[in-house]
Amino acid sequence: TQLLEQSPQFLSIQEGENLTVYCNSSSVFSSLQWYRQEPGEGPVLLVTVVTGGEVKKLKRLTFQFGDARKDSSLHITAAQTGDTGLYLCAGAVGDYKLSFGAGTTVTVRA
Amino acid sequence: KAGVTQTPRYLIKTRGQQVTLSCSPISGHRSVSWYQQTPGQGLQFLFEYFSETQRNKGNFPGRFSGRQFSNSRSEMNVSTLELGDSALYLCASSHPGGVEQFFGPGTRLTVL
Repeated sequence: TQLLEQSPQFLSIQEGENLTVYCNSSSVFSSLQWYRQEPGEGPVLLVTVVTGGEVKKLKRLTFQFGDARKDSSLHITAAQTGDTGLYLCAGAVGDYKLSFGAGTTVTVRA
Repeated sequence: KAGVTQTPRYLIKTRGQQVTLSCSPISGHRSVSWYQQTPGQGLQFLFEYFSETQRNKGNFPGRFSGRQFSNSRSEMNVSTLELGDSALYLCASSHPGGVEQFFGPGTRLTVL
């Protein structure tokens, strides 16, 4: 059983559309991170959120941390083909242990 | 700064053999973690080393082991390989006191 549940598992959209990916848990995290992984590469850190209710924006990407620090969402506005990849959320329990969700595979069609 | 490097990038072994993978962290990073990634199980934490000591360990059998050297470089070893060990093995390093992971490109291990 995954500590972090991500939904949906797969998402395919047309370029220019918006999308939202969810990351949920029954555990409280001291911080939560989002990564993107492209085929044949390791995950790349996108953002870290640490405060309940926090919203961070990174160009067309908006990340939100739930008030209770148990869940998070990633919203992409006007998706581009370069946004295609596997999106992973990861929650930190304490200072050192990191648990990853199973990931959401996003495909943006031209 | 150079990123995390892993060698080799690809490896093919047969059942029963053993394998050693290598990881060089980002300069100044003293924590190195190893993960196994498979389509079915996703990204699973293997272990973490900090200052040559194993600080955390995931739920993997004793066939999986690792070590860290004084220059923070790390190796992981898998003995008596099984078909199910076929996976992408990722190494990640982090800032002192940080939890954010900086990943290498991974080693793709295929066990035949």
